[in-house]
Amino acid sequence: AQKVTQAQTEISVVEKEDVTLDCVYETRDTTYYLFWYKQPPSGELVFLIRRNSFDEQNEISGRYSWNFQKSTSSFNFTITASQVVDSAVYFCALWVRAGKSTFGDGTTLTVKP
Amino acid sequence: NAGVTQTPKFRVLKTGQSMTLLCAQDMNHEYMYWYRQDPGMGLRLIHYSVGEGTTAKGEVPDGYNVSRLKKQNFLLGLESAAPSQTSVYFCASRPGLSKLAGGSQFFGPGTRLTVL
Repeated sequence: AQKVTQAQTEISVVEKEDVTLDCVYETRDTTYYLFWYKQPPSGELVFLIRRNSFDEQNEISGRYSWNFQKSTSSFNFTITASQVVDSAVYFCALWVRAGKSTFGDGTTLTVKP
Repeated sequence: NAGVTQTPKFRVLKTGQSMTLLCAQDMNHEYMYWYRQDPGMGLRLIHYSVGEGTTAKGEVPDGYNVSRLKKQNFLLGLESAAPSQTSVYFCASRPGLSKLAGGSQFFGPGTRLTVL
């Protein structure tokens, strides 16, 4: 069975603060893919990043960075210098070779001006 | 290139009625998925397909049926709608694993279904 846990249900920060969203996953597959999606109030799902199980390099894209650690089965997402426009629900997801996918329950991030 | 489209965008049903949601993709993707998202919750996988003519159950398949007769289309059917099926339904597609590194997952805009 596979599982994705986003322990933080809601996070509230003040603009310009850094914030880290946690994601812990479980799978027996050795080949898998991890994703982060953003769901703004408008409801659509916006793809942010994909990482496969063989690539543990951390990645930075502008104010976003991701820390993938297989040893702890974690794929955490950090927003540096948060902005009001970052307010959204963020989902971590796990995809495996068999095709199944599992989403976490999401973290609602509120960035206050 | 329209990506992933869903029809309809909104629908209101009465308990016991049936309906079919259509998902179409024009990217020649192998995999297609149907999810539901209830208020304040993440996406839960209903059914998925790893190729034309194949379907498989996800996490919450009861009350739904699916078909993938053509590679580009994935249909989700509700035979006898219940209020518990009130939700937002998302369709998604992605390429096969050999091509995954070159592409990302694509989601449709969602269908908001209300069952009275």
